[in-house]
Amino acid sequence: EAGVTQFPSHSVIEKGQTVTLRCDPISGHDNLYWYRRVMGKEIKFLLHFVKESKQDESGMPNNRFLAERTGGTYSTLKVQPAELEDSGVYFCASSQRPGGELFFGEGSRLTVL
Amino acid sequence: QKEVEQNSGPLSVPEGAIASLNCTYSDRGSQSFFWYRQYSGKSPELIMFIYSNGDKEDGRFTAQLNKASQYVSLLIRDSQPSDSATYLCAAEGGGGNKLTFGTGTQLKVEL
Repeated sequence: EAGVTQFPSHSVIEKGQTVTLRCDPISGHDNLYWYRRVMGKEIKFLLHFVKESKQDESGMPNNRFLAERTGGTYSTLKVQPAELEDSGVYFCASSQRPGGELFFGEGSRLTVL
Repeated sequence: QKEVEQNSGPLSVPEGAIASLNCTYSDRGSQSFFWYRQYSGKSPELIMFIYSNGDKEDGRFTAQLNKASQYVSLLIRDSQPSDSATYLCAAEGGGGNKLTFGTGTQLKVEL
């Protein structure tokens, strides 16, 4: 069974540009999460989808970040316009139910120059 | 103040020894605690979770929780070189997998 997959694995963009990260959760997992790790800091929660609905987006840093999960399958996280402090590793995770085992993807590393 | 604190390490132990990884948390509302292992460049992988005071054992791993002291630990018995990784402690309070992570402890198991 395929795990959580994320694309791209690494993206390098210039400040002010736009980047879209994609996450494909494990098939059948209604719960999808985005987390982020900024260099030297801990992994931090960004938001939680249940199917296509945003259950909790309290961790989204600002309105430059837009997450979508149309159709309740894959999710995208768009950063527009990107700033230097957005650099980090963006992890996606999924679970069958809230509180169930969380399976992480390998992350998308974003470098903003 | 960090909500979940871990010593960043590296913690070096000889092969076959017991590795002891520690974590403290500040939010008394936290109910469940998780230990993830992360190899460099790979995804965090769940090793154990614990939500009751006391010890929980799974193979070579034992998680310990003391809610009064707000302290969680992970013991790895008979440490192997393949255990060398970063170990992330996480706390969760609302039942929805909104985890609060520590920065992780790097473990090195030496031959």
